[in-house]
Amino acid sequence: DTGVSQDPRHKITKRGQNVTFRCDPISEHNRLYWYRQTLGQGPEFLTYFQNEAQLEKSRLLSDRFSAERPKGSFSTLEIQRTEQGDSAMYLCASSLGGRDSPLHFGNGTRLTVT
Amino acid sequence: GQSLEQPSEVTAVEGAIVQINCTYQTSGFYGLSWYQQHDGGAPTFLSYNALDGLEETGRFSSFLSRSDSYGYLLLQELQMKDSASYFCFLGQNFVFGPGTRLSVLP
Repeated sequence: DTGVSQDPRHKITKRGQNVTFRCDPISEHNRLYWYRQTLGQGPEFLTYFQNEAQLEKSRLLSDRFSAERPKGSFSTLEIQRTEQGDSAMYLCASSLGGRDSPLHFGNGTRLTVT
Repeated sequence: GQSLEQPSEVTAVEGAIVQINCTYQTSGFYGLSWYQQHDGGAPTFLSYNALDGLEETGRFSSFLSRSDSYGYLLLQELQMKDSASYFCFLGQNFVFGPGTRLSVLP
């Protein structure tokens, strides 16, 4: 168990640019989640995958956000035309099993949009 | 929809016992979990309750009452390292509560 890893740890970008983050889950975990967290708030659910299928996506997620999990392994989260309001910590988590299984989080990617 | 409510802050002294409450509203129920997050760190899983009653894991215990849509996390023999934010979590729709910031004073 090498844990969930996320890359990069930090990303600074200018408003209007596109950014892409990567998440490598724990290898045997079938579920992968993306969350966004701002200071002093709880993690906000964005989307989740079971294997390669994206099964749920938050209604709060604008069409500028897209996520993929090709082959059911690593996942990418892309934000197009970034806005200052996108500045946050983006957390990835993985789990093995159903909705009662613990989520294992990576250390996150901190995005700053200037 | 789903929603969870928690107190925003709790303060206690080393060695004391503290209870962090969580009330929730949900259309379905897959259990209530608790996570701990230190400043600058990732959330880590603490406990899970699917059925009514108390689950004990060392110094931490978690309680659930499904009829009251209520749960709590009980931390005993508080230590300075327990200073962190604590989140309740609904597995139904992967929703976290707003978090309770616990400060443990010497």
